[in-house]
Amino acid sequence: AQSVTQLGSHVSVSEGALVLLRCNYSSSVPPYLFWYVQYPNQGLQLLLKYTSAATLVKGINGFEAEFKKSETSFHLTKPSAHMSDAAEYFCAVSKMDSSYKLIFGSGTRLLVRP
Amino acid sequence: DTAVSQTPKYLVTQMGNDKSIKCEQNLGHDTMYWYKQDSKKFLKIMFSYNNKELIINETVPNRFSPKSPDKAHLNLHINSLELGDSAVYFCASSPSGTSGDNEQFFGPGTRLTVL
Repeated sequence: AQSVTQLGSHVSVSEGALVLLRCNYSSSVPPYLFWYVQYPNQGLQLLLKYTSAATLVKGINGFEAEFKKSETSFHLTKPSAHMSDAAEYFCAVSKMDSSYKLIFGSGTRLLVRP
Repeated sequence: DTAVSQTPKYLVTQMGNDKSIKCEQNLGHDTMYWYKQDSKKFLKIMFSYNNKELIINETVPNRFSPKSPDKAHLNLHINSLELGDSAVYFCASSPSGTSGDNEQFFGPGTRLTVL
């Protein structure tokens, strides 16, 4: 069965610092993996997705994630945090059956300090 | 021009009432979903429809009934509301239910508060 685990319910960084949000997955088959962002009082927006084309995936707003099969990880990074990056971030895996439903992690709240 | 819209945005009601939340997408997508986000931000799928046919029905009380009058609409009706139904409900859509790499587009959410 597919699942994702996000380590750290809250991550706090200074503006301009590196952002690292962790996601580990569990899947018996090559997974499809996603990162979504939720700004306050809004719906979720796709940041990037991994579909086996390339292990380093670039997304919107300067974010990228690297798929590491040996570590079963798909961590999200951004070289320099901006105040506008403060939001909730969700890692998700697509269930590889006929439903292809998304299974979300518990989310990580990113706080950016001035 | 909103891609996935939901009405209402806020819904406050008493226990025992029946209420509906409406969702519409203008993206031409085949598949639509309902998710529930609880107070701890945990997001869980409830239902999914593909071309008006129910394809995902998670372990959800029978009081919740989705209805898809056409491919662009997926409404959620809730009977006999309970305190535990208080949450934010998100509608989403994707191009197809037959490929796991399709992006899902989310609506702005409906915050339901049951008193």
